[in-house]
Amino acid sequence: GAVVSQHPSRVICKSGTSVKIECRSLDFQATTMFWYRQFPKQSLMLMATSNEGSKATYEQGVEKDKFLINHASLTLSTLTVTSAHPEDSSFYICSAPGQNEKLFFGSGTQLSVL
Amino acid sequence: KQEVTQIPAALSVPEGENLVLNCSFTDSAIYNLQWFRQDPGKGLTSLLLIQSSQREQTSGRLNASLDKSSGRSTLYIAASQPGDSATYLCAVLYGNKLVFGAGTILRVKS
Repeated sequence: GAVVSQHPSRVICKSGTSVKIECRSLDFQATTMFWYRQFPKQSLMLMATSNEGSKATYEQGVEKDKFLINHASLTLSTLTVTSAHPEDSSFYICSAPGQNEKLFFGSGTQLSVL
Repeated sequence: KQEVTQIPAALSVPEGENLVLNCSFTDSAIYNLQWFRQDPGKGLTSLLLIQSSQREQTSGRLNASLDKSSGRSTLYIAASQPGDSATYLCAVLYGNKLVFGAGTILRVKS
């Protein structure tokens, strides 16, 4: 089946720094990728939809200047958490639609901001 | 508001038992419904996808049903095994937006 590779799997950073998370579709092209955030014991929440070659679409309440999304190619989308703060600590995960409308997910990134 | 609720939040069963996980959704205008498995530190794995026009889907020991009119779906796991221990997520697709439930944490004891 389709594979989505997400890196890094875990990152610890100091408050105020920026963190970039990469998501690659390894054996298929993804014109669209979805970025989710999950706080402990809560649902996955859609943050934004990245579209290859155009601007990302952000969900209500998600700051586009804080969570920068770039979808420069059909196989790569990146999420950069700028000036991270402890409240940004969360599990971030990407997904891309494959064949038969199934969504394929990356392995997720656990971000801890000290 | 489109909400997805999963019951129970957690479930612990002995190995070999059959079990049912429940999912309910408030807006019946769905495109499809998916059940996912989430393992700690790993991504999500799609288990079953049911289109809005379908009633159920089966894969191995898993069977998922969909009742759009009542806004419910169930995931049935037969002859549970310790390897089935994971968090199971239900997600409903509305247009191009996927709304997730909070999940059911399943523990199968050997």
